[in-house]
Amino acid sequence: SQTIHQWPATLVQPVGSPLSLECTVEGTSNPNLYWYRQAAGRGLQLLFYSVGIGQISSEVPQNLSASRPQDRQFILSSKKLLLSDSGFYLCAWSAGGELFFGEGSRLTVL
Amino acid sequence: EDQVTQSPEALRLQEGESSSLNCSYTVSGLRGLFWYRQDPGKGPEFLFTLYSAGEEKEKERLKATLTKKESFLHITAPKPEDSATYLCAPDHGSSNTGKLIFGQGTTLQVKP
Repeated sequence: SQTIHQWPATLVQPVGSPLSLECTVEGTSNPNLYWYRQAAGRGLQLLFYSVGIGQISSEVPQNLSASRPQDRQFILSSKKLLLSDSGFYLCAWSAGGELFFGEGSRLTVL
Repeated sequence: EDQVTQSPEALRLQEGESSSLNCSYTVSGLRGLFWYRQDPGKGPEFLFTLYSAGEEKEKERLKATLTKKESFLHITAPKPEDSATYLCAPDHGSSNTGKLIFGQGTTLQVKP
């Protein structure tokens, strides 16, 4: 069966520091991969999606970037975090149908 | 502009008290509508996909229905373990991309 792993689960970072969140999927090949953000009091917002290695589409202009170095690995990065980057980050995968989410990474920028 | 509105924002029920959650949407090129359950501090858990008006799907005490403008999640005789935030999300992406627009969610609390 397919599983999705996300880490770290919790992160507290100072403003201006870099960020790297990692997501891996097991049990499937060539999945579509997604990064969503859920800010306090707001709905889930799609940040990036990828249909293959090295193929990244950005949905909103922001301080973040994404990369897909391997088929089942998706990384969310920032060179310098802003206070507004705080939130709950969710990685998800799909194979043409439903989205399946990881457990999320809680980022607090101080 | 594509929009999704869920109502009510919060719902308190007594155990066994049935009710419905609403998801209204304006999305061009709808490919499907998804319902998820999200527990605090966790990622959303997939419940249902509905693809066409008139379609219904059931899972335990939950039944989801779809019309051209809205979807309902009916909860029959809920239990405390049904307490969670329920999210609906239409899919408006092109083929091979699941670009979902999530509603704000309805937070359900079921009291024993």
